[in-house]
Amino acid sequence: SQQGEEDPQALSIQEGENATMNCSYKTSINNLQWYRQNSGRGLVHLILIRSNEREKHSGRLRVTLDTSKKSSSLLITASRAADTASYFCATVTGANSKLTFGKGITLSVRP
Amino acid sequence: GAGVSQSPSNKVTEKGKDVELRCDPISGHTALYWYRQSLGQGLEFLIYFQGNSAPDKSGLPSDRFSAERTGGSVSTLTIQRTQQEDSAVYLCASSPSSGQLYGYTFGSGTRLTVV
Repeated sequence: SQQGEEDPQALSIQEGENATMNCSYKTSINNLQWYRQNSGRGLVHLILIRSNEREKHSGRLRVTLDTSKKSSSLLITASRAADTASYFCATVTGANSKLTFGKGITLSVRP
Repeated sequence: GAGVSQSPSNKVTEKGKDVELRCDPISGHTALYWYRQSLGQGLEFLIYFQGNSAPDKSGLPSDRFSAERTGGSVSTLTIQRTQQEDSAVYLCASSPSSGQLYGYTFGSGTRLTVV
C-alpha cells in the first residue's frame, strides 16, 4: 500500500524559479527522506528529516515536516536545468523497517 | 567498492527462463534492500536483509522470487520461470544499518526484459 503520496505529479518551471514539492503520508513515521532519480535508474539520497525535526537545509534544498498534518515539503531554490529529474519522498515507519516510496514527482526545469 | 554495484545492467530473457540478479553493496553496510520499479511507477519493496538474514520478505510477489545474501555482503535475487509482468528495473540499495538513521545508497539497477 502507498504510504507517501507526492503532489503535484508533474511540475514545470523556468530556470531560476523555486520548485516546491509536497508529500503526504498515512501512518506515524520515524523519518522521511527525499530522493532524486535521473533517467529511470538509480536513486540519489537528498535529505533525511527525523520525526522530531521540523525543518532541515542542505545547499539549495529545504525540507519541512509537519507530523500533525502528516506532510512534508521539499523546496529547491534557484532551480537549474540539471535539477530536472523525478523526486520521491519515502518514509520509515518502524524499527528495522524499510523505506516506503511514493510514486514520485516529475520536475522539468526549462533553460 | 565506492558504491553499490549491480549486474548485469541489462538482461533480456525468454519467458519461462530463470534469471539471477546480483547486488554488491558498499563494504560494511549491514542492511541491503531490493526494490523493483515498473515503467513510470514508484518503487515496490521486495525484500530486506540485515546481515545474512531477511527480517522482511513481505514484498516478494510470488514463490518464483527468492533472494539470499552471503557473508553479509553480496546478494542474489533469483526469479524462476520468468513472466512478462516481471519486466522492470530491479534496484538494490544498502545502508550502514536499518533505515532510521541513514539514507540508502542505490545501485544503478538491472533492467529486466522478459520476451
